[in-house]
Amino acid sequence: DVVMTQSPLSLPVTLGQPASISCRSSQSLVHSDGNTYLSWFHQRPGQSPRRLIYKVSNRDSGVPDRFSGSGSGTEFTLRITRMEAEDVGVYYCMQGIHWPRTFGQGTKVEI
Amino acid sequence: EVQLLESGGNSVQPGGSLRLSCVASGFTFSGQFMTWVRQAPGQGLEWVSSIYNDGSATYYADSVKGRFTISRDNPKNTLYLQMNSLRVEDTALYYCVKGAFHPDYWGQGTLVTVSS
Repeated sequence: DVVMTQSPLSLPVTLGQPASISCRSSQSLVHSDGNTYLSWFHQRPGQSPRRLIYKVSNRDSGVPDRFSGSGSGTEFTLRITRMEAEDVGVYYCMQGIHWPRTFGQGTKVEI
Repeated sequence: EVQLLESGGNSVQPGGSLRLSCVASGFTFSGQFMTWVRQAPGQGLEWVSSIYNDGSATYYADSVKGRFTISRDNPKNTLYLQMNSLRVEDTALYYCVKGAFHPDYWGQGTLVTVSS
């Protein structure tokens, strides 16, 4: 199975400051169709996960532009340029190319 | 607006069975991979199973293979998860999710509790 390793697992942040989460996969996530199927999700306490980013760097509709995704191959990063209170929660990366699909362990972001 | 409404969660004893359902609306259900993801209390996300658009291909996590069966009824816009031989470690909130390559929409989940 492809192992998705996130770091850090806990991230204390300051409002207005930047934050960054790393996700590393044990195998390449580049599909034969040329796409790289790496997604980022945000889960607030008591809520369902919400997709923020798909195919490494594509931001979903309604996601603030302070969120960005980057990376290639096996190394990926989610960046938040300026933390806001609504950004707290747990962030997960997920690979969508290999079976079984796998998620990272989650990074808990708190103020 | 995409909506995914799960049902069927309940409390059962180890060894029991449950069937989860997910009614989808707001998109062309027959044109989409569908997926079940679960989350044990206080834990992270675990992919459980996915099914191809027409049901011709199914995929399972090793932890549920041979015990769970994913299926769909496209005319009814409904996804199912038949869960047999349930174990305590299957206790989780089960989410119905649209897609499998970069899943986008998630339901609110249905709670399965396996306990004696």
